[in-house]
Amino acid sequence: NAGVTQTPKFRILKIGQSMTLQCTQDMNHNYMYWYRQDPGMGLKLIYYSVGAGITDKGEVPNGYNVSRSTTEDFPLRLELAAPSQTSVYFCASSPRETQYFGPGTRLLVL
Amino acid sequence: KNEVEQSPQNLTAQEGEFITINCSYSVGISALHWLQQHPGGGIVSLFMLSSGKKKHGRLIATINIQEKHSSLHITASHPRDSAVYICAVGWGGNNNDMRFGAGTRLTVKP
Repeated sequence: NAGVTQTPKFRILKIGQSMTLQCTQDMNHNYMYWYRQDPGMGLKLIYYSVGAGITDKGEVPNGYNVSRSTTEDFPLRLELAAPSQTSVYFCASSPRETQYFGPGTRLLVL
Repeated sequence: KNEVEQSPQNLTAQEGEFITINCSYSVGISALHWLQQHPGGGIVSLFMLSSGKKKHGRLIATINIQEKHSSLHITASHPRDSAVYICAVGWGGNNNDMRFGAGTRLTVKP
């Protein structure tokens, strides 16, 4: 099993550009999550999903959108990138309790 | 004020020492998680607790629900334990809405 994979590993965006961060898991987990980690700060939950077709907001959802059309995929969309969205983004999945994290996507918005 | 407080922020120990990292939270929770973030950035789930104590190898995690406090102990610390240890809680009874501490950076010197 590959576990949780995230693409890209690193991306530079210009202010106002859009992009989609991809997250795929091959463990058939129902629960999936998107987090951001700013330097020196704790992780913050952006969105989560408890199953295909169901998504819910976390602590910091503004500026982001998600969809969950399949169990495996949970993409995160940034519509109008802003410098405040410079961060490391982690995707995670869970069968119920333990969360399994992807390697992260480092995003720089200039 | 962060809803999840960890102490200390930084900890340096000699190999073999007993390590304690503390986590306090401000509201009722459904569960508490301890995570380890490696120097390369990867995040691994160590424990999930809702009561009592759990042990895995040299790691022991305890939680006191009444006092809203948890501790992570490392016995016979080793340089490979050097990492950031993160406490996270399921906020307001929703284990999917996770709130994270800022982390404790542990360095174990040989």
